[in-house]
Amino acid sequence: DAGVIQSPRHEVTEMGQEVTLRCKPISGHNSLFWYRQTMMRGLELLIYFNNNVPIDDSGMPEDRFSAKMPNASFSTLKIQPSEPRDSAVYFCASSFPLRGTEAFFGQGTRLTVV
Amino acid sequence: GENVEQHPSTLSVQEGDSAVIKCTYSDSASNYFPWYKQELGKGPQLIIDIRSNVGEKKDQRIAVTLNKTAKHFSLHITETQPEDSAVYFCAPLDTGRRALTFGSGTRLQVQP
Repeated sequence: DAGVIQSPRHEVTEMGQEVTLRCKPISGHNSLFWYRQTMMRGLELLIYFNNNVPIDDSGMPEDRFSAKMPNASFSTLKIQPSEPRDSAVYFCASSFPLRGTEAFFGQGTRLTVV
Repeated sequence: GENVEQHPSTLSVQEGDSAVIKCTYSDSASNYFPWYKQELGKGPQLIIDIRSNVGEKKDQRIAVTLNKTAKHFSLHITETQPEDSAVYFCAPLDTGRRALTFGSGTRLQVQP
């Protein structure tokens, strides 16, 4: 298995623009997580899905952030409009809880908003 | 929610020495305690985990110990090597959110 795949690896955008981050979880995993990593706040859970349904979005910072999981093999995290303080590394992770709680992380998307 | 504290924030050891990183948590119902290693430019990767029914688990040079009464668990790395240099995170399970809550991380530097 190729693991969790995220795209793009790097994204530079101007303030006010829409940004879409993409994630393909490991095949067969039914839980998907979006985390954000910054120097100031560390690794924060933004939202997670179970069987494509959002379960906990209490970590989503503002209405500018939205996430979808239209099917078991794809998820997006969208920021509209983007702001410089959104600059961070965004990680997607997936797991199969019935086999354990280990979360497998993707390589991350480094977002820079200028 | 789960409150997690991890110490120390940085740790420098000589190659061959041991390293210990400690994590305290608040969720008394938590039953899953993993440690992740993050190398530069990569996502966190699980290196060892323990469940609440055991007090210690070992995998070659790394081990995790759990004290549920005191609500802390520790990562032990013996015979450290330069390739152990990375940032290490504890991530106990938040049973309320059913998701991992990450500590602030420990930057381990192994000096050759």
